[in-house]
Amino acid sequence: AQTVTQSQPEMSVQEAETVTLSCTYDTSESDYYLFWYKQPPSRQMILVIRQEAYKQQNATENRFSVNFQKAAKSFSLKISDSQLGDAAMYFCAYRSENYGGSQGNLIFGKGTKLSVKP
Amino acid sequence: DGGITQSPKYLFRKEGQNVTLSCEQNLNHDAMYWYRQDPGQGLRLIYYSQIVNDFQKGDIAEGYSVSREKKESFPLTVTSAQKNPTAFYLCATSNPSGANVLTFGAGSRLTVL
Repeated sequence: AQTVTQSQPEMSVQEAETVTLSCTYDTSESDYYLFWYKQPPSRQMILVIRQEAYKQQNATENRFSVNFQKAAKSFSLKISDSQLGDAAMYFCAYRSENYGGSQGNLIFGKGTKLSVKP
Repeated sequence: DGGITQSPKYLFRKEGQNVTLSCEQNLNHDAMYWYRQDPGQGLRLIYYSQIVNDFQKGDIAEGYSVSREKKESFPLTVTSAQKNPTAFYLCATSNPSGANVLTFGAGSRLTVL
């Protein structure tokens, strides 16, 4: 069974600085998807970024980028120029490439709480 | 606007009572999911449904039940058999053609008194 591990329960960053959140996962599959979701105090889950395992190029969305190391099974999220609105819980998630049965759902890590200091 | 509506946002229940959480979507997505979120636990899958009139148990289905009579609706019933029902519940949808992305509702907070 696949597992996702976020080893940093809490992180803090100064406004305008850069922070990296860690995520590792375990799987025997070669094709899969990885995600970072943000959950602000409103508790609405918001997709931050998505990476397909077959793509070597790291995904980027504005100030958010990932460092995807497939061999190491690592998927870290880098937030540049941190803003107060970035303060939230961040969840790393894994999804099998096979869309069917229980493989269609996401497997989540336990989350990292990010605080942004003004 | 297309989206997922969960209701109620807050719900209080006495022990021994069943309660139903609503999830309605107008995204025309095929698959729907229910997750439970507890502090420090991340999200855990309760039930999911790929098509109408079909649903499957997730990792923590005991004490819960669902139905999928319409594509748009996937209600979750928390029964009295659920030993620790106080939690935050999230409904989500996805579409095979939608790049395997889950879209979430705003959630429902259930508190057992």
